Amino acid sequence: QQPVQSPQAVILREGEDAVINCSSSKALYSVHWYRQKHGEAPVFLMILLKGGEQKGHEKISASFNEKKQQSSLYLTASQLSYSGTYFCGTESGGTSYGKLTFGQGTILTVHP
Amino acid sequence: NAGVTQTPKFQVLKTGQSMTLQCAQDMNHEYMSWYRQDPGMGLRLIHYSVGAGITDQGEVPNGYNVSRSTTEDFPLRLLSAAPSQTSVYFCASSPRDRGPNQPQHFGDGTRLSIL
Repeated sequence: QQPVQSPQAVILREGEDAVINCSSSKALYSVHWYRQKHGEAPVFLMILLKGGEQKGHEKISASFNEKKQQSSLYLTASQLSYSGTYFCGTESGGTSYGKLTFGQGTILTVHP
Repeated sequence: NAGVTQTPKFQVLKTGQSMTLQCAQDMNHEYMSWYRQDPGMGLRLIHYSVGAGITDQGEVPNGYNVSRSTTEDFPLRLLSAAPSQTSVYFCASSPRDRGPNQPQHFGDGTRLSIL
């Protein structure tokens, strides 16, 4: 079952902040975040493990609430280069290691 | 180091034709996956493999076959193409020897149209 991402789309001005959420109905071992530019392959951003870990990548960070099976991606002081579609991918562990189930994506558009 | 290589990049088929999408990786990764991407649906897992000789179904396996005879190659076969299989197909790989939670490396995709 696919995780659910919200919102479906976000429009920002340069410098503004955004939060993208990812929720799953299944117990999760990890959450992956990827960004995809139009016509290109998804590119890895970060992985979060169960345990409420928060990680950062430049001005992009994320958190993972294991109890709620939710992850959030935080984009601060957005830049034009942040535009694209963001996907969360969830991994349930056990015999499903390496098997990701992706959300439907959140389209982020940053304007000058 | 080429990473994950998918061929062809574009393909047009007629309904009922068969074809194989090729995927090869040179990173000695154990895990390999096939996804299809349709507008508004995100990436949906078709089949995946945890190593040579081992494959398993994903969310949308119907109409597709896979095999994994070597670590490097993971071809996806469409036995009888249908218009509903028009999509962009991505192959991805990740290592197992460094433990779970490894990022997936994606190929550039194959854009497939079924008429």
